[in-house]
Amino acid sequence: EVVLTQSPATLSLSPGERATLSCRASQSVSNFLAWYQHKPGQAPRLLIYDASNRATGIPDRFSGSGSGTDFTLTISSLEPEDFAVYYCQQRSNLLTFGGGTKVEIK
Amino acid sequence: QVQLVESGGGVVQPGRSLRLSCAVSGFSFSGFGLHWVRQAPGKGPEWVAATSYGVGNDYYADSVRGRFTISRDASNNTLYLQMSRLTTEDTAVYFCAREGRGRLQDYFDYWGRGTLVIVSS
Repeated sequence: EVVLTQSPATLSLSPGERATLSCRASQSVSNFLAWYQHKPGQAPRLLIYDASNRATGIPDRFSGSGSGTDFTLTISSLEPEDFAVYYCQQRSNLLTFGGGTKVEIK
Repeated sequence: QVQLVESGGGVVQPGRSLRLSCAVSGFSFSGFGLHWVRQAPGKGPEWVAATSYGVGNDYYADSVRGRFTISRDASNNTLYLQMSRLTTEDTAVYFCAREGRGRLQDYFDYWGRGTLVIVSS
């Protein structure tokens, strides 16, 4: 099983700041990695697939990078609606998710 | 628009059974793979089960294989998860999710809001 480790667990930032979230895989997943945003009581939303491709309707302040075992989700300038929990998911070997990074208002 | 709405969660005693439902609308029910994903308190999501589009092959996580059964009813556009021999480890919010097509295969492009299952005596 591929274990995905996300860091940090919590990121405290102010609106307008840049957020950098990390996802590390226990073995190579090539570029088969997605990022999701989840707010309490809402449906999770697909942001990025295949490491760097934005899903339909996702603003360009969200970007993904990486391959192999190290991946990054960057939010270039945080908007108020971006404060949420973010998860990575791989599809290289079965389907597994990371433990999440909470982006909270500082 | 695409909607997935889960129902059927609640409190159930260990060893008992429960059936979850997911009503879908806004897309071709038989044209997409459908999944159940759960999230235990304080943990990341865990993939549980899937039913593929077309032929409808079913897949399960090791943690639920032999206890859970995924099925779909095209007559009412509903996905089900029959859960039996429940344990406290099955306590979680259960989400249904649509698997994307093409480059989005094995990613989840639409999700429901989830239904909470608590297994407790």
